Amino acid sequence: TQLLEQSPQFLSIQEGENLTVYCNSSSVFSSLQWYRQEPGEGPVLLVTVVTGGEVKKLKRLTFQFGDARKDSSLHITAAQPGDTGLYLCAGARGSARQLTFGSGTQLTVLP
Amino acid sequence: GAVVSQHPSWVICKSGTSVKIECRSLDFQATTMFWYRQFPKQSLMLMATSNEGSKATYEQGVEKDKFLINHASLTLSTLTVTSAHPEDSSFYICSAGQGYVYGYTFGSGTRLTVV
Repeated sequence: TQLLEQSPQFLSIQEGENLTVYCNSSSVFSSLQWYRQEPGEGPVLLVTVVTGGEVKKLKRLTFQFGDARKDSSLHITAAQPGDTGLYLCAGARGSARQLTFGSGTQLTVLP
Repeated sequence: GAVVSQHPSWVICKSGTSVKIECRSLDFQATTMFWYRQFPKQSLMLMATSNEGSKATYEQGVEKDKFLINHASLTLSTLTVTSAHPEDSSFYICSAGQGYVYGYTFGSGTRLTVV
């Protein structure tokens, strides 16, 4: 059983469309991070959210941490082919240093 | 920013041999590093937490005698896959960083193929 469930698992859209990826859990997290990974590479950190209800924006990407710190979402506006990749959410529980990764969302943006 | 270097990027080895993968923090000291395994089109699974100067902490189900971890300095952790078998073929990734608040930096990964 995956502690962090991401949906959708696969997403293929046209350039210019908007999309939202969800990361849900029944557990509370101290923080939640979003990463983007390209084939053959390690994940790259996009953002860290720590406070319940927090919203962070990174250009066309908007990240939200749920009020109860059990879920998060990533919204991309006007997707571009360069956004293609595997998006991973990862959470830290309590004071643990280890991250628990979500199941991943493979995004493909078609030109 | 924090940089984590991982080598080799890819390696092919014969069944029964051992392979060592290095993970270095280039511009910061890392008392803790993490080793992950990733299968195609799947997420990252934490294998073990590497602690500088002490034994690694392995996740449930990970054979510590097969995946030897050494963290002898504040900038280097190594993962040795001993007596490798084809089922050990995978993408191995290390990470280090400033903790869960500031985020972690990942190495570029090592593609291991055992033939």
